Amino acid sequence: GAVVSQHPSWVICKSGTSVKIECRSLDFQATTMFWYRQFPKQSLMLMATSNEGSKATYEQGVEKDKFLINHASLTLSTLTVTSAHPEDSSFYICSARDLPGATYEQYFGPGTRLTVT
Amino acid sequence: EDKVVQSPLSLVVHEGDTVTLNCSYEVTNFRSLLWYKQEKKAPTFLFMLTSSGIEKKSGRLSSILDKKELSSILNITATQTGDSAIYLCAVKDNYGQNFVFGPGTRLSVLP
Repeated sequence: GAVVSQHPSWVICKSGTSVKIECRSLDFQATTMFWYRQFPKQSLMLMATSNEGSKATYEQGVEKDKFLINHASLTLSTLTVTSAHPEDSSFYICSARDLPGATYEQYFGPGTRLTVT
Repeated sequence: EDKVVQSPLSLVVHEGDTVTLNCSYEVTNFRSLLWYKQEKKAPTFLFMLTSSGIEKKSGRLSSILDKKELSSILNITATQTGDSAIYLCAVKDNYGQNFVFGPGTRLSVLP
């Protein structure tokens, strides 16, 4: 149980275009999903916390207009990188948290590798 | 601000060696500490620790939490090349929704 999927697993796009990454909890409901990015040889850095039905909470230094997050249902959150630039190239990982009363832990997706050319 | 420190940052050993990875933290209202193993993709869960002195064990891996010292160790005995990975420590408090991750320890096990 507790499987989280991400789509796509990798994507290459041109500078200036937008890319949408989906994060789905497959066998449980997640009121909260988290988006991380990871640069090579570095640890996970939280970008934002996404709550179902409300606006995402962004970490300091993360541009909310550039990284659009939508959490429309209890099983789906999306991250859209708008007007992507080469410096946005990174590994993006989502995680999903059970509803309170369940195991209440985070489960990670497999990640999406974004390359902006 | 919550903070997690891991040491060493990098470690190279030979198969059969035993390694100890360290994690120390500064967090108000500590709730739990978690260890993850990250290979090529997203981290995979190893252990969750909430109480001091209780060892969690899974095969050749074990971990223990010392809340007095605000630290935890992850032991791997009889290492194998498949243990090569980044080992991440994360801490969660009672108020925050998220984990704070440490920088990770990159373990390389040579044949």
